[in-house]
Amino acid sequence: DVKVTQSSRYLVKRTGEKVFLECVQDMDHENMFWYRQDPGLGLRLIYFSYDVKMKEKGDIPEGYSVSREKKERFSLILESASTNQTSMYLCASSRWGDLEPQHFGDGTRLSIL
Amino acid sequence: GENVEQHPSTLSVQEGDSAVIKCTYSDSASNYFPWYKQELGKRPQLIIDIRSNVGEKKDQRIAVTLNKTAKHFSLHITETQPEDSAVYFCAASIGGNNRLAFGKGNQVVVIP
Repeated sequence: DVKVTQSSRYLVKRTGEKVFLECVQDMDHENMFWYRQDPGLGLRLIYFSYDVKMKEKGDIPEGYSVSREKKERFSLILESASTNQTSMYLCASSRWGDLEPQHFGDGTRLSIL
Repeated sequence: GENVEQHPSTLSVQEGDSAVIKCTYSDSASNYFPWYKQELGKRPQLIIDIRSNVGEKKDQRIAVTLNKTAKHFSLHITETQPEDSAVYFCAASIGGNNRLAFGKGNQVVVIP
């Protein structure tokens, strides 16, 4: 069974802080994704990566960056946190290919005060 | 780019009745359509998926149908139970780049 683990379930940070969200998958998946989930807006893709050190912008990359130094780990970075980045953040992974499902972590509820 | 829309946004059904959620998509190159169920406070979980070379797929009480000509696909839940209450997301593959485009989700409420 695929296991996608996010480092924190709940996180509270202050405006202007640099915030790191970590995600690890144990299935040797090539693709990893970061989404944010807000009521009424569904899942919006922030960034994704299809290989180590490779990254692609999603639909809402502004204010975020990512790092993928190892295949199993994908980090989301809020360079200078703002209150409008308060949200649920979901990490997912999948095998390479267009016919592959994504497997999600439990999410990190991030609050920026 | 791909645009996926779900209807209705909220659906209430009596326990034992059927529930149907419909999604439409815009990109004719999409060829993979998964459905996810997200219970309150939990991760989205894949419940069923369908590929474009198949018109229908069934797994116990859930089924998915695909109409590629009309660019829509639907989730059918029969004999609904209270544990079916959740948010359901449909998605469609974005051709050639391993991504999925998600709908905004449907809240399904099963009334005991």
